[in-house]
Amino acid sequence: KAGVTQTPRYLIKTRGQQVTLSCSPISGHRSVSWYQQTPGQGLQFLFEYFSETQRNKGNFPGRFSGRQFSNSRSEMNVSTLELGDSALYLCASRPDGNTEAFFGQGTRLTVV
Amino acid sequence: GQNIDQPTEMTATEGAIVQINCTYQTSGFNGLFWYQQHAGEAPTFLSYNVLDGLEEKGRFSSFLSRSKGYSYLLLKELQMKDSASYLCAVRDLKAAGNKLTFGGGTRVLVKP
Repeated sequence: KAGVTQTPRYLIKTRGQQVTLSCSPISGHRSVSWYQQTPGQGLQFLFEYFSETQRNKGNFPGRFSGRQFSNSRSEMNVSTLELGDSALYLCASRPDGNTEAFFGQGTRLTVV
Repeated sequence: GQNIDQPTEMTATEGAIVQINCTYQTSGFNGLFWYQQHAGEAPTFLSYNVLDGLEEKGRFSSFLSRSKGYSYLLLKELQMKDSASYLCAVRDLKAAGNKLTFGGGTRVLVKP
């Protein structure tokens, strides 16, 4: 069974640009969560999607948005990039319920 | 809200035992997870506790006391490959879906 796949793995953008990251969950998993990981803040929850609906949202500005498609694939978008958005963005999928999350390898975004 | 605390760094010798503590405050506890993350890699699931007591999985064990808001991860017979960050995460019953709140992680360095 293929794991969680995130693309691209690495990305360099300039301030003010926007970026779209992609996550393909494990087959059969309907819940997809996104996290931002930085050395100073650790893993911070961005949002969770389930059956194409945002089910939970963290404390990030509106520049961070996401969506989920009918095949459970998810994308997150960051507009008007700031230097502080440089981070590892991790996606995690699970079937649902009280089960563990399976993480992808992440997309390392560098904003210059 | 939630507050999760764990030590930043620990050092131990190969073959020894290390205990990583995690304390949390949450308005509605609904499970605690431990993840291992090697540098540059995705977090991988280690253990899940929702009831008080000890869960053992080979060299790794995790303990939970809900009344004390406390958990620990015990790593026995340490190996060099156990050098990694260990993340404690709590799920909140009052948060819809599967939002996990992570601690800052404990970096464990295993020395020969």
